[in-house]
Amino acid sequence: AQSVSQHNHHVILSEAASLELGCNYSYGGTVNLFWYVQYPGQHLQLLLKYFSGDPLVKGIKGFEAEFIKSKFSFNLRKPSVQWSDTAEYFCAVNADDDYKLSFGAGTTVTVRA
Amino acid sequence: GAVVSQHPSRVICKSGTSVKIECRSLDFQATTMFWYRQFPKKSLMLMATSNEGSKATYEQGVEKDKFLINHASLTLSTLTVTSAHPEDSSFYICSAHHRGVGTDTQYFGPGTRLTVL
Repeated sequence: AQSVSQHNHHVILSEAASLELGCNYSYGGTVNLFWYVQYPGQHLQLLLKYFSGDPLVKGIKGFEAEFIKSKFSFNLRKPSVQWSDTAEYFCAVNADDDYKLSFGAGTTVTVRA
Repeated sequence: GAVVSQHPSRVICKSGTSVKIECRSLDFQATTMFWYRQFPKKSLMLMATSNEGSKATYEQGVEKDKFLINHASLTLSTLTVTSAHPEDSSFYICSAHHRGVGTDTQYFGPGTRLTVL
């Protein structure tokens, strides 16, 4: 089974600062990778996903993530955050032959105006 | 597209009663749906995989007789918490698996807050 670790539990930053959230997984086979966001009081929404191809993936709301296979990482980035990016961010992984997702513990991002 | 709904959004029940939660994929068919619990400040814990037309597959430690899952159609899965107790109070989230060529993705419902008194 896969396991997913998110290194940052809580990140606090000011508007216009750059954001990078770490995500590492452990699994020896082919994986699909996802970042989900949960805004306060709302349901999980898909930010972006990687299946194959260009390892730099662009998602909604200016987010991007880079898959580095050699490091088993899929870090999420945004060059300039806004107050509205305050949310819980989850990295998730599934093996290519299994629909079940394994989630990281989540990172709470607080953006101060 | 890819919208998943859950009903009810909140439910309060007495200890010992049963509660049914519905999960619907509104604009796509889902042969596979998933049920999760989310504890405060915690990640999602997969409870079971709901398969249309067959029995659900439960994760280790999840009581199948307590959490009954039925996936009667390609757009509806239900989770029934039987004989609920206060420790079953939680946020239950479903997801529906959307199949596509090279783009299998789970889309999540808004969740159901269950409070057992």
